[in-house]
Order: sequence, then structure tokens, then C-alpha cells
Amino acid sequence: AQSVSQHNHHVILSEAASLELGCNYSYGGTVNLFWYVQYPGQHLQLLLKYFSGDPLVKGIKGFEAEFIKSKFSFNLRKPSVQWSDTAEYFCAVNARGSGGYQKVTFGTGTKLQVIP
Amino acid sequence: DVKVTQSSRYLVKRTGEKVFLECVQDMDHENMFWYRQDPGLGLRLIYFSYDVKMKEKGDIPEGYSVSREKKERFSLILESASTNQTSMYLCASSLRKTGQNSPLHFGNGTRLTVT
Repeated sequence: AQSVSQHNHHVILSEAASLELGCNYSYGGTVNLFWYVQYPGQHLQLLLKYFSGDPLVKGIKGFEAEFIKSKFSFNLRKPSVQWSDTAEYFCAVNARGSGGYQKVTFGTGTKLQVIP
Repeated sequence: DVKVTQSSRYLVKRTGEKVFLECVQDMDHENMFWYRQDPGLGLRLIYFSYDVKMKEKGDIPEGYSVSREKKERFSLILESASTNQTSMYLCASSLRKTGQNSPLHFGNGTRLTVT
């Protein structure tokens, strides 16, 4: 069965600091990887995704993530955070289930608080 | 733009009641999902469906059932609500035709309190 680990539960940064959120997954087959973000009071929305090709993917609002297959990792980065990045971030793995259908597993989330 | 609508934003039910949570999507998506979101536990998959009348157990199906009679509607049923089912419930949908690449589109969630 697939699983996702996010090791940072709560991160506090000052504005303009650099961000890196860790995500590791376990699954033996082909995966697609996602980062979702949930701003306070809003629904979850897609930040970025990886499915093939260049392992460095860019998303909205200046976020990027790097897929390192050998490390089973998909860490999220942003060079300079803003107060508006305060949110909860979820890493997700989309692996094909035993019946050939899509099964999406999420990590436990990382709450990012950016201090002005 | 995809819209996933959950019928209730807040719900308060008593222990032992049968509870229905409804979700409707308007983009003809094949896949639909029910998650519950709890602090420190992230999103946990309860059930999902990849076609009408098809359903698959997720990671925590105990105490829940689902119904998908029409493509656009996916219902989560709590047969006999218990206090440990107090949670935020999230519905999501995605396209199946693009295989594994399809991202999930989420509703705003239903916060269920069981007293």
C-alpha cells in the first residue's frame, strides 16, 4: 500500500525567508505526485503536479518541487515566502490501485505560518 | 471551472442517527472521493468510486458506506453516527480519461459534529 510522509508539521518563517517542505512516499510502482494547498477558510486546491519528464516542476505563486526518484521524495520549495503563503500544505501520491483505478493518498500536512 | 458542491457546510447530529452527506460535481468526472480531514492526521480516504454504481473502500471505511447512483452525485452515509466521526468531510472528483495525471477538485467540506 502507498503512504506519504510529511515530516514538518508546523513551520514558522519570516517574510522573504526560503521554504522547503519535505515529502517522502512509499510505493513500488509508477506514481504521480502533487502538492495541494489549503488557505485559511478555503477549499483545497492544486499547487503543482509531477507525472513525467523534467523532475523539477513549477507551480503557481512561485512554488516549485523536485522529484527525486532514488529518494522517493518530492520536496516543495519557494525562494522567498510572503505572508499570503500562510496555509496548510499537503503532499499527495496518485498511484494506480489494484483494479487499475486512481487512488490518491495524502500526507498529514504541514502548517506554514509566515510572520510579516 | 470545475465545481464540487457539498450540500451542507455545517451539520450537527446525535449519536446513533443515520447521516447522509451529499456531493455533486458538474464536470462529468468519472472519479469521486470522500475524505475526512482531522488535525494532525491530514486527509484520509474513506471511499472512492470510479464509475456509476462502483465503489471501492479507502483506508478507513469502517462505519461508512457510499452510494453512486448517478455520475455526478456521490453520497457518504454514516449508518449510525458516533462521536469519533466528528470531523471535516471533503468530497473530491477527477477525470479518469487522463489516467493517473488527473488532479482532484475539492468541495468546501462539511463539518460534522456528532453529539
